[in-house]
Amino acid sequence: AQSVTQPDIHITVSEGASLELRCNYSYGATPYLFWYVQSPGQGLQLLLKYFSGDTLVQGIKGFEAEFKRSQSSFNLRKPSVHWSDAAEYFCAVGRNTPLVFGKGTRLSVIA
Amino acid sequence: GAVVSQHPSWVICKSGTSVKIECRSLDFQATTMFWYRQFPKKSLMLMATSNEGSKATYEQGVEKDKFLINHASLTLSTLTVTSAHPEDSSFYICSAKTSGVYNEQFFGPGTRLTVL
Repeated sequence: AQSVTQPDIHITVSEGASLELRCNYSYGATPYLFWYVQSPGQGLQLLLKYFSGDTLVQGIKGFEAEFKRSQSSFNLRKPSVHWSDAAEYFCAVGRNTPLVFGKGTRLSVIA
Repeated sequence: GAVVSQHPSWVICKSGTSVKIECRSLDFQATTMFWYRQFPKKSLMLMATSNEGSKATYEQGVEKDKFLINHASLTLSTLTVTSAHPEDSSFYICSAKTSGVYNEQFFGPGTRLTVL
């Protein structure tokens, strides 16, 4: 069965510090992987996606993610976090089926 | 491009009434639309998948008679919460998918439903 695990429920980082949000997946075939961000009371915004090719993908707002097949991971990174990055982040997997979402990681940013 | 809208963005209704939520793909044709429900501080739970012109496919545990889904055109899907009760209060999000090769979904901004 398809599943996504985001091990960290809540992460707090200082503004300007680097960030890594973890995502592990279970999928029977080569997955399509996504990272979404959600601000309170808002819908989901796509940060980046991986379909095939280069395993390091660049997204919006300075985010990047690396697909590691051997580790079944698709971790999200940002070198320098801004206060406006505080939000909920969801990793998702899916190919020809509805997306399966992780439970999300809430990011707090402190001064 | 690839914008999905939802209307209304929030709605308050009395218990026992029905509420309709619209999901529109504004600049593309969506062969498939999805409806999700999100409880506070929780992830998205897929409720149903709707394909244009056919009946929706509901996930296990979702009452199809309570959550009526209609996908009458390639740009519009509606979710009607019938005889709403306070436990139906939630954040409902739709997404739309094109018929392209890649399974990329575009999400609407969500509808906050509060049932009194």
